[in-house]
Amino acid sequence: DAKTTQPNSMESNEEEPVHLPCNHSTISGTDYIHWYRQLPSQGPEYVIHGLTSNVNNRMASLAIAEDRKSSTLILHRATLRDAAVYYCILRDARGGSSNTGKLIFGQGTTLQVKP
Amino acid sequence: DAGITQSPRHKVTETGTPVTLRCHQTENHRYMYWYRQDPGHGLRLIHYSYGVKDTDKGEVSDGYSVSRSKTEDFLLTLESATSSQTSVYFCAISEGDYFVGTQYFGPGTRLLVL
Repeated sequence: DAKTTQPNSMESNEEEPVHLPCNHSTISGTDYIHWYRQLPSQGPEYVIHGLTSNVNNRMASLAIAEDRKSSTLILHRATLRDAAVYYCILRDARGGSSNTGKLIFGQGTTLQVKP
Repeated sequence: DAGITQSPRHKVTETGTPVTLRCHQTENHRYMYWYRQDPGHGLRLIHYSYGVKDTDKGEVSDGYSVSRSKTEDFLLTLESATSSQTSVYFCAISEGDYFVGTQYFGPGTRLLVL
């Protein structure tokens, strides 16, 4: 499984944009880039995913480098409720018996949002 | 919110006793997963299911068994609980294609084995 690297922690001020980076230099052509987050005392929740093009949804934007070796999750206006651990996860789009579909969680980035 | 619940939400048990955790979904999704979360390890896959009576092992399956007799229920059993199984357990369901589909997680079960 391809590996991702994220900073351990980041801080942001409330109502300011936040850019959470993720490096994945060994990404393969069939790997999707997924982001999940985990709020305190809750299960992880899906944020966004993409393959090559930048993606936007109601929660965030995902900017993917042209060579796909890195990506950035963008929270446009951080709120206190966005304080969480953010996980960048690669998922192989190839099916088959060896692909369980499991999510491989690294240590993630702990985002602190200051009022 | 995805219709996924876990029970019990909290449990304290003693070493050597059997424990069963239940995951229930209302979404009729085919794929279900059990993960455990421990400090310093992130979430790790215990077992998963790709249909009724179809299950397989994950990376930390020793000491655990699972059963899925109905689409909506996925049970995780600790045959003889040990202190190393003290953890937070999360169930997840997968929407769409299992290898890239969005996974929705339950609220978790906190298990303490004394």
